[in-house]
Amino acid sequence: SQTIHQWPATLVQPVGSPLSLECTVEGTSNPNLYWYRQAAGRGLQLLFYSVGIGQISSEVPQNLSASRPQDRQFILSSKKLLLSDSGFYLCAWSGLNYEQYFGPGTRLTVT
Amino acid sequence: DAKTTQPPSMDCAEGRAANLPCNHSTISGNEYVYWYRQIHSQGPQYIIHGLKNNETNEMASLIITEDRKSSTLILPHATLRDTAVYYCIVRTTGNQFYFGTGTSLTVIP
Repeated sequence: SQTIHQWPATLVQPVGSPLSLECTVEGTSNPNLYWYRQAAGRGLQLLFYSVGIGQISSEVPQNLSASRPQDRQFILSSKKLLLSDSGFYLCAWSGLNYEQYFGPGTRLTVT
Repeated sequence: DAKTTQPPSMDCAEGRAANLPCNHSTISGNEYVYWYRQIHSQGPQYIIHGLKNNETNEMASLIITEDRKSSTLILPHATLRDTAVYYCIVRTTGNQFYFGTGTSLTVIP
């Protein structure tokens, strides 16, 4: 069966510090992968999606970037965090019917 | 650009059917409707999806109107564990999902 992992679960970072969030998927190959952000009390905002290694599409211009160095690994990064980057970050992969399966999420607080 | 409209909140008595409506009046002919739910502090969970026929699985039923401009998610016997935010989403031809703010369903004992 397929599983999706995200780490860390929670993170507190100062403004201006770098960020690296990792997502890995097991039990499937060549999945479409997605990064979302959810601000407190809000809906999910699609940040990036990837259809293959090295292929990244950005939905929202911002100080975040994404990379997919391996088939089942998706990384979200920032060189300098802003206060507005605080939120709940979710990684997802999509199945045969394009339904998406989400990881447990990383709760990021920028102070 | 969520392309869907949902009531912000609903209540349902435990054991009764919960009927969650969604309007998607601008849906295109080949766009699917998906439903997810999100329990507090967790990632969203896929529930069901459909194109134009009604669908049923172990979690819920999805009723799509004939003109496809709206749909209803039915939880036949709501339990307290069904308390969550429910998202109705139209999948774009680019295979991306745009989540709105959903409907916050509270199941009342």
